[in-house]
Amino acid sequence: DVQLLESGGGLLQPGGSLQLSCAASGFTFSAYAMNWVRQAPGKGLEWVSSISGRGEITSYADSVKGRFAISRDNSRNTLYLQINSLRAEDTAIYYCAKDMSSTWGGKGLDYWGQGTLVSV
Amino acid sequence: AIQMTQSPSSLSASVGDRITITCRASQGLGDDLSWYQKKPGAAPKALIRDASTLQNGVPSRFSGGGSGTDFTLTISSLQAEDFATYYCLQDRSHPWTFGQGTKVEFK
Repeated sequence: DVQLLESGGGLLQPGGSLQLSCAASGFTFSAYAMNWVRQAPGKGLEWVSSISGRGEITSYADSVKGRFAISRDNSRNTLYLQINSLRAEDTAIYYCAKDMSSTWGGKGLDYWGQGTLVSV
Repeated sequence: AIQMTQSPSSLSASVGDRITITCRASQGLGDDLSWYQKKPGAAPKALIRDASTLQNGVPSRFSGGGSGTDFTLTISSLQAEDFATYYCLQDRSHPWTFGQGTKVEFK
């Protein structure tokens, strides 16, 4: 079974940094693009960032560009999100999610983790 | 970035009702649109990809339609477990964007 397990969230001060992780299992991790999606309290889903299977292509929402960095370690089947210069508006549950398609561009997100809470 | 306008933002319905949610894109998507169900405290669940293809295990009362700029999600006979918030996602081009969500509430 596909499993995605996020970690690294917590209570932080504005201006601080943290790194979220997502441990993946149950599929060929390197074959699929991966994503981060967040949901702020009382708000809707917001797509944050994507990274291709080999990590050579990345994309970011305009709201996080320049402060967030997505990366992956295919030898460890792990996805990361580095968040710098934390702001109050970054407070959210952060989900990692797997692309449906093995090609960049994808077909949406088929598996999701349970999320990790970041409070600023 | 492509903007997604989802409507209505909320609706009240009863078990057995047929409901339709609409998403409109600011530019053409072909069929590159997916739908998700979100319940409080739970991870989002994929319902439909490619505008109209049901994900494995999703009940047939869910259906998706449309192409280009206008898309629909229909639940033919609402069940108790369907009360949730629904989101569309355009996966045509990066940055991907979600609709604002439609909360389906019990009447």
